[in-house]
Amino acid sequence: DSGVTQTPKHLITATGQRVTLRCSPRSGDLSVYWYQQSLDQGLQFLIQYYNGEERAKGNILERFSAQQFPDLHSELNLSSLELGDSALYFCASSVGGQGKEKLFFGSGTQLSVL
Amino acid sequence: GIQVEQSPPDLILQEGANSTLRCNFSDSVNNLQWFHQNPWGQLINLFYIPSGTKQNGRLSATTVATERYSLLYISSSQTTDSGVYFCAVNNNDMRFGAGTRLTVKP
Repeated sequence: DSGVTQTPKHLITATGQRVTLRCSPRSGDLSVYWYQQSLDQGLQFLIQYYNGEERAKGNILERFSAQQFPDLHSELNLSSLELGDSALYFCASSVGGQGKEKLFFGSGTQLSVL
Repeated sequence: GIQVEQSPPDLILQEGANSTLRCNFSDSVNNLQWFHQNPWGQLINLFYIPSGTKQNGRLSATTVATERYSLLYISSSQTTDSGVYFCAVNNNDMRFGAGTRLTVKP
């Protein structure tokens, strides 16, 4: 158990809908990262937050947004869902925000858009 | 952005064999980690190794930062070693290679 908690584990929804994925980092970790893993794209970095502030941005679509709350948990919001958004979404956490720390991953949320 | 290339893409071994996985990266990095994704999808951190050599049981890793590559060694492989091995590097953000899919046959 990495100590990173993601909910829900599975999510099935329809095209055009909006969903929210939740992540609680390990105790003491200030950084949260979101990744998307699809069969044809591998593990794609979406966004990183450090202590409530956006730290780095990757290949995140405009239909997607994220935030980190004062209690350090994070949510990833996916809207106007398309079939191609079906993927495994991972959250990871680390102690600091400089990118030099070890990453610990949650077990992921499997999103299926039908 | 930084490019991360892993080789080989696929590897099939008989139980007990040894293997070497390679990760090349295109720019200087301040962080390099190796992960194992098991058949259930879970990502496990194996090594945090921006430079030097580390060993953990049957696994060891070496990163030569000046030459921009890292190697993961698996000795006496077991069926439970099967899965995908990812290298991830940090330049401005943490980027993953495409992975090496390892299958260990009994």
